[in-house]
Amino acid sequence: EAGVVQSPRYKIIEKKQPVAFWCNPISGHNTLYWYLQNLGQGPELLIRYENEEAVDDSQLPKDRFSAERLKGVDSTLKIQPAELGDSAVYLCASSQDSVSEAFFGQGTRLTVV
Amino acid sequence: QKEVEQNSGPLSVPEGAIASLNCTYSDRGSQSFFWYRQYSGKSPELIMFIYSNGDKEDGRFTAQLNKASQYVSLLIRDSQPSDSATYLCAPVGGYQKVTFGTGTKLQVIP
Repeated sequence: EAGVVQSPRYKIIEKKQPVAFWCNPISGHNTLYWYLQNLGQGPELLIRYENEEAVDDSQLPKDRFSAERLKGVDSTLKIQPAELGDSAVYLCASSQDSVSEAFFGQGTRLTVV
Repeated sequence: QKEVEQNSGPLSVPEGAIASLNCTYSDRGSQSFFWYRQYSGKSPELIMFIYSNGDKEDGRFTAQLNKASQYVSLLIRDSQPSDSATYLCAPVGGYQKVTFGTGTKLQVIP
């Protein structure tokens, strides 16, 4: 069974530029999470989807971040414009439902210069 | 108050010793508790799952849960250098989301 797939693995951009990350969850998983992880810290939830509905986006900086999950499957996370402080690893995870274990993708390491 | 509190460590133990990792949480609605292991540069992976009070054992790992005290721990017996990683506690709270602590970095010294 394929795991959670994220792309790209690495991205380097200049500040003020836009960037987008893509996530393909495990087939059949209804819940999808986007987390941000800074070095030495645990993953911080940005947004959680139940199917195509964003049910928890309280931690998403909505002035520059946006996300979508079309048809309740793949998801994209966008930052526009990127700031230096956005440099981090962006993790996508999926689970069968919101109380089951989350399976993580390999993450996208973003560097903003 | 953070939802999940963990000592960031590093916690250093000699090979063969017992490593004890602790986590407290604030949401009394938490129903399930996960322990994830994260190697440096890798993504978190689940190693233990507990949802009832008491102990749950899986090989060298034992998870302990005390809902009254809002405390969950992970014991690793016969610690190996390959256990060196960051261990993340993740309660699933009343809002039904997996929330992570900062993690405890474990170093097993050969």
